[in-house]
Amino acid sequence: GQNIDQPTEMTATEGAIVQINCTYQTSGFNGLFWYQQHAGEAPTFLSYNVLDGLEEKGRFSSFLSRSKGYSYLLLKELQMKDSASYLCAVNTNAGKSTFGDGTTLTVKP
Amino acid sequence: DAGVIQSPRHEVTEMGQEVTLRCKPISGHNSLFWYRQTMMRGLELLIYFNNNVPIDDSGMPEDRFSAKMPNASFSTLKIQPSEPRDSAVYFCASRSPGLEGGEQYFGPGTRLTVT
Repeated sequence: GQNIDQPTEMTATEGAIVQINCTYQTSGFNGLFWYQQHAGEAPTFLSYNVLDGLEEKGRFSSFLSRSKGYSYLLLKELQMKDSASYLCAVNTNAGKSTFGDGTTLTVKP
Repeated sequence: DAGVIQSPRHEVTEMGQEVTLRCKPISGHNSLFWYRQTMMRGLELLIYFNNNVPIDDSGMPEDRFSAKMPNASFSTLKIQPSEPRDSAVYFCASRSPGLEGGEQYFGPGTRLTVT
C-alpha cells in the first residue's frame, strides 16, 4: 500500500513564502503531483516531479527526493487567492494516483 | 475543450434509492478515474479505467457500487441501494493517453446527499 503524510493546516501572511511538506512510502513510484483545491471546487494540477530536484513554475516550485520519500511545494509572494487545500499525490507504475489528505492553507492579510 | 463533464451536479435522494452518476471525459483522453471525497476520508480512488477497461476497482466500497464505461466518451457510477454513509462529493477525472505519469483533469464533481 501507500502512505502519504502532509500537515493538516498551515497559516501564512500575504506576501510571504510558505513550504508545504509531503512524505510518502510506496512501491513502483512513478511521479509525485501537487494539486490545488479551493473550497467547493475540483482539484486542479499544479506541478509534477518524477526526477529528484526542483521544478519551478512562476510563484510555485516543487521539490522531490526519491531516496527520502519527500517532496515540498513552495509558494512565494503569497496572495489571498492562494488560500486553498493543497493535495500531494503519488503515482505508481500501475498508472493510478493516491492522494494525501491535503493541507489547508490560510493566507492572512 | 469543455473539460470533464459530470452530471448531475447535485443529487439528493432517500436511503434505498438507486443513484447514477455520469461522466464525459475530455475528448482524446483514454484513462478515466472515479473518486469520492469526504471530510473524514479525503479523496479516495474508487475505480480506474484505461481504454474503457477497468484496471483497478479495489477502491469500490462494496457490491452496492458499480461502474461502467461503454465507450471512450461516457462512464457511469451506480449506487444501489444508496445509504446515508454514501453522502460525499464524487469526482470523475481523465488523463491523456501514453502518460501514465501525467496529470489528471477533474470534473466539477457531483455532491450526493442520501437522507
